[in-house]
Amino acid sequence: EAEVAQSPRYKITEKSQAVAFWCDPISGHATLYWYRQILGQGPELLVQFQDESVVDDSQLPKDRFSAERLKGVDSTLKIQPAELGDSAMYLCASSWTSGTETQYFGPGTRLLVL
Amino acid sequence: AQSVTQPDIHITVSEGASLELRCNYSYGATPYLFWYVQSPGQGLQLLLKYFSGDTLVQGIKGFEAEFKRSQSSFNLRKPSVHWSDAAEYFCAVGEGSSASKIIFGSGTRLSIRP
Repeated sequence: EAEVAQSPRYKITEKSQAVAFWCDPISGHATLYWYRQILGQGPELLVQFQDESVVDDSQLPKDRFSAERLKGVDSTLKIQPAELGDSAMYLCASSWTSGTETQYFGPGTRLLVL
Repeated sequence: AQSVTQPDIHITVSEGASLELRCNYSYGATPYLFWYVQSPGQGLQLLLKYFSGDTLVQGIKGFEAEFKRSQSSFNLRKPSVHWSDAAEYFCAVGEGSSASKIIFGSGTRLSIRP
């Protein structure tokens, strides 16, 4: 069964450092999402891609976060510089297209900023 | 703006007992509603979804949910829980006409008593 892959699974970094997360969606899925899940809360959408284009990044803190999906396949989410409040689980999801298609989630990257 | 409320932070039920997890939503039009489950170390998995039609929705793993417009509720039920059902459960609502942006509730943690 095809799955969404994410790496690394865990990341510990110091504040002011740069971190990057990678996501490989299910093959053929045109839509890719990055979510942030703070402990004890539900996931919150950070950015949505349709192929290589950003569809929604209204909740992405653009002063320190960036995301790209250059060839419309895998994607990278970067934080620079990291802050203590960025400690969270970062989830990637993909779907065949946007709209009512089911989103399939990866296992996530747990980030701890010291 | 759309929102989802899960009033129970943590629920414990005995194995074999019935389960009902509560979810209330705030949305002006007919909502797109979802239930996801998150097991430790795993990504979110879609249990079921409601877009229109029959208000009683069947999902995977023996779960079902009932949409009640008059109560703005979409409660999740299972007649007999198994120890493997212990997990975090998230109710969510799709925002916009395409429902591609999902707003998650804060989750309910389910523990199973042997």
